[in-house]
Amino acid sequence: RKEVEQDPGPFNVPEGATVAFNCTYSNSASQSFFWYRQDCRKEPKLLMSVYSSGNEDGRFTAQLNRASQYISLLIRDSKLSDSATYLCVVGGSQGNLIFGKGTKLSVKP
Amino acid sequence: DTEVTQTPKHLVMGMTNKKSLKCEQHMGHRAMYWYKQKAKKPPELMFVYSYEKLSINESVPSRFSPECPNSSLLNLHLHALQPEDSALYLCASSQGRTGDFFAYEQYFGPGTRLTVT
Repeated sequence: RKEVEQDPGPFNVPEGATVAFNCTYSNSASQSFFWYRQDCRKEPKLLMSVYSSGNEDGRFTAQLNRASQYISLLIRDSKLSDSATYLCVVGGSQGNLIFGKGTKLSVKP
Repeated sequence: DTEVTQTPKHLVMGMTNKKSLKCEQHMGHRAMYWYKQKAKKPPELMFVYSYEKLSINESVPSRFSPECPNSSLLNLHLHALQPEDSALYLCASSQGRTGDFFAYEQYFGPGTRLTVT
């Protein structure tokens, strides 16, 4: 099993749609979880940290299920500007970050 | 201010050249990282510095040589690179404490796009 697995997509959705990304991780001892967003030819930018209780930031909601080793990101009311690659990231045992391969989202008018 | 700066933005070098990439952060972070990213792939960790000491080297070839002159600066010295080393090189920083293995969120610089000819 890969350390962090994501559906590569692409997800093509119309503006205003709700879209959900899922991610699984293999190390049950992982303690930190993040979603990053990366635009084409740009650096990854932290979108949100993911907490056990779940957290919401505007149109974005992240959930963590430790028992199933599963992380999700929900985007409501998609905007054209949400088009990007979304990276699921899990903390490693040495304090490093382990990246999923990313899920590409295209929001169309 | 969550800013990490990198210079240069673009670099073209021949296989016999020596060049350096530079990274700077002023967030008081004590951990700094170099990543390599190829197109359509996630970032791949190369080196980690924690409190100005090299703590992780992910078996990177010796033609890449990192240096951490102080807690705000990180360099990557390049020598005798190969065309397959062409990639986006990203620097990142995070808070961190010596002996602390918790993975904090990392903040990335804009990267240096390197082409080796």
